[in-house]
Formats: sequence, structure tokens, C-alpha cells
Amino acid sequence: EVQLVESGGGLVKPGGSLRLSCAASGFTFSNAWMSWVRQAPGKGLEWVGRIKSKTDGGTTDYAAPVKGRFTISRDDSKNTLYLQMNSLKTEDTAVYYCTTVQEYSSSYYFDYWGQGTLVTVSS
Amino acid sequence: SYVLTQPPSVSVAPGQTARITCGGNNIGSKSVHWYQQKPGQAPVLVVYDDSDRPSGIPERFSGSNSGNTATLTISRVEAGDEADYYCQVWDSSSDPIFGGGTKLTVL
Repeated sequence: EVQLVESGGGLVKPGGSLRLSCAASGFTFSNAWMSWVRQAPGKGLEWVGRIKSKTDGGTTDYAAPVKGRFTISRDDSKNTLYLQMNSLKTEDTAVYYCTTVQEYSSSYYFDYWGQGTLVTVSS
Repeated sequence: SYVLTQPPSVSVAPGQTARITCGGNNIGSKSVHWYQQKPGQAPVLVVYDDSDRPSGIPERFSGSNSGNTATLTISRVEAGDEADYYCQVWDSSSDPIFGGGTKLTVL
């Protein structure tokens, strides 16, 4: 059974930093593309970024609102995905979900999701 | 940038058929994926690649995509289907995009 368990959320002041973790199990993590998706309170889903498997280059890509401030990384030896968030803004307040990424006919989707961790940016 | 448009809400009586649309310019040329999110829970994939269902998703959930509209159809709606539903597209030429979400109310 695929399990994704996020941790590291909490309250942080504007301009501060936070690192989220996502512990993965039930699949071969090193082969998986992974992503972070967030949801502001009462709002819809917003993609944050993606990291490919090392086999596929291990490269990252980010949504415009977080580019230059957020960094996604992975430790395949620990089956763990990370999201380093710097220069946080109040508009970054959201539940952050860790997801697996699946490819089908050159289209991609999020097939498994963690339960999410809440990040609140407030003074 | 590409925009996906969903109706904010859809209401349906139990046992009836719910249709949730997702509009986008020539969306029929893209693969559309659908997620169900119940209150306080993480999203769950219910349809991928326009019309395929992951294992464990009831056959009552189906999808179609043509022209400028993709549609998620839920047959024989149950009270447990009440949730927010999101469409999503993502191909190699763009970043992932979600629709704004549709709240399905079972009357």
C-alpha cells in the first residue's frame, strides 16, 4: 500500500523559512517522480513543483509564485521528499500535499496523495 | 496561460446522474484528469486520461473529453459522493493546471 506522510508544517513569520518532509513507502521511491501541491484555506488546488527521478535526471521545476524561493529535493536512501521554503509570504499559507506523479501518453497526473501538512505564515 | 473553467457548484438528487464540466480551449486535444476531495481529506484520483478509472474507483465514475469541454459523469449518485471535484491537465509543454473546482451537493 502506497503511503505518503508529510511533516514539518507549522506557524512561521513572513520572511521566515520552513522545511517540509514527505516519508514514502509502499512503492519504489527512487523510480518515482514526485510533486508538491498546495491548497490555501477555502481555495482550490495549486501545483508547487516537481522533481524527476534521478534516472530521469533528477531535475526540478516550479510554479511561478514560488520559483526562486522554494526548493524540492529528495533522499532516495531515506525514501523521503523535501520542500525547503524560504522568504515565506502570507500568501504561502496553505495545506501542502506530497504526491506521486504518473505519466500516461505524455500526460502527467497525481496518482497518490499524502494527508497534507498545514503551513501558516503570519506575524 | 491555459485556463480550466469549472462551474462552482452542481446539485443532484440521490440516484440521479451528475455531470461536472471542465472547459478549456481545445481541451479535447489534451488528457484530462479528475480528483475528488471530501471535506478535511486529501484529493483522490477518480479518472485519468479522460476516461480511465484507477483501481478501486466505482464504475459509476466516468469521463469524456471533446472539443472545448471535458466532463466527469457520476451515475446513480450517492450521499457519499458529495465532495469537491477538480479537473487537471499537464503535458510536456506546460506546467500542471487545475480547474477551480466544483462542489457537488447531493440533495
